[in-house]
Amino acid sequence: AQKVTQAQTEISVVEKEDVTLDCVYETRDTTYYLFWYKQPPSGELVFLIRRNSFDEQNEISGRYSWNFQKSTSSFNFTITASQVVDSAVYFCALNAQGGKLIFGQGTELSVKP
Amino acid sequence: DTAVSQTPKYLVTQMGNDKSIKCEQNLGHDTMYWYKQDSKKFLKIMFSYNNKELIINETVPNRFSPKSPDKAHLNLHINSLELGDSAVYFCASSQVASLVETQYFGPGTRLLVL
Repeated sequence: AQKVTQAQTEISVVEKEDVTLDCVYETRDTTYYLFWYKQPPSGELVFLIRRNSFDEQNEISGRYSWNFQKSTSSFNFTITASQVVDSAVYFCALNAQGGKLIFGQGTELSVKP
Repeated sequence: DTAVSQTPKYLVTQMGNDKSIKCEQNLGHDTMYWYKQDSKKFLKIMFSYNNKELIINETVPNRFSPKSPDKAHLNLHINSLELGDSAVYFCASSQVASLVETQYFGPGTRLLVL
C-alpha cells in the first residue's frame, strides 16, 4: 500500500521564524517520486519541487529547502525566515505507479506578522 | 497564457441536477487527470486519460463520467448530483502518464450542491 502522512495538521509561526513541515511516506516500490505542492488561500495548487527516490541530496531554493531521507522515509520541507505570503496549505505527494499521485492530508501553515 | 484552465470556477446547483466541468491545457501534454478535494482538503485522484484513452479509473460512482474529445481537453460530467458531491474538483496534466512527470493543476472548480 502507498501512503503519505503529514502529521502536522496546522502550524502557526511568527514572521521570520524558520518552520519545518514533515512528510513521511510508505511504498514498496524502489523507484518513486516525491512532490511538494502549495495551496495558497486563493485555492490553486502550485508545484514546488520533485525529487526521485535515488537522489538523496538536499535541495535549496531561496528560502525553501528540502531534506529527503530514504532511511526514515521522510521528505521534509523547511521554510527559512518565514513570511506572511508563505501562509498556505502545503501538500506532500508520492507518485510510484505511473501517474497516480497520492497526497498527504496537508499542513496548514499560518505565518503571523 | 494559462497552462491548465477550468470552467466554471464556481458551480452552485440543486440536488438531482446534471452538470459538467470543462478542462483545457495548452502545455502540449498527453495526460490529463481529475482530482477531488473534499471539505477536509484531502485530495484524491478520480480519473486519468492518456491521449484520449482512460487509464486510471478510481472507485468513483458511475454518476461521474469523464470525456476527452482530444488530448488537450478533459471534461467531467456528473449526473444526479448529491450533497456529498460538494467539493473542489481539480484538473491536472502531465507530459505523459509516468511517475517521473510533474502534474500541473488547474485553478479548481468549487461545486456546491444544495
